[in-house]
Amino acid sequence: AQSVAQPEDQVNVAEGNPLTVKCTYSVSGNPYLFWYVQYPNRGLQFLLKYITGDNLVKGSYGFEAEFNKSQTSFHLKKPSALASDSALYFCAYPWSGGGADGLTFGKGTHLIIQP
Amino acid sequence: DAGITQSPRHKVTETGTPVTLRCHQTENHRYMYWYRQDPGHGLRLIHYSYGVKDTDKGEVSDGYSVSRSKTEDFLLTLESATSSQTSVYFCAISEPPNEQFFGPGTRLTVL
Repeated sequence: AQSVAQPEDQVNVAEGNPLTVKCTYSVSGNPYLFWYVQYPNRGLQFLLKYITGDNLVKGSYGFEAEFNKSQTSFHLKKPSALASDSALYFCAYPWSGGGADGLTFGKGTHLIIQP
Repeated sequence: DAGITQSPRHKVTETGTPVTLRCHQTENHRYMYWYRQDPGHGLRLIHYSYGVKDTDKGEVSDGYSVSRSKTEDFLLTLESATSSQTSVYFCAISEPPNEQFFGPGTRLTVL
């Protein structure tokens, strides 16, 4: 069965340090992969997506993600964490087809940036 | 939130009553989606629509129905609400191949 997994429920990072939020996938073929962020009491916001091409994808708010086929991973990264990055982060892939029919999300990772 | 509104934003109802949630968009996007968010499950797709009167089931469609009579409105109906349908419901829109934009959510409590 196809899936994405976010192995960490919570990640704590000191402000100014680099951050990584992990996602691994089990998706057949060439995967389309997405990262979304949810701030408290808000809907989800799109950060970035991998379709094909460059393994390093740049997105909103200074985030980037590295697609690694050999490790079946799509980790979200940022070189220097800000307090405003504290939020809930979701990795996602298309529920079917190319993604127009909806997404399936991982369980989410709480990112907490400590002063 | 990209021209998407959801109503009501909060609702408390009793088991067995019908409930309808509304999603309204001003972006003229072709695709609309309903998701539910529960702790430990992320978001799960309930139903989606790819045009007026064109809808299909998602991952967790049992107990839910949808209708789309106009491009801008997508309704989610719980015919007879159960406590297991207590959740936060999110509507999303997209114009493929672009990303989905999410509404602010509706918190539904079924007592």
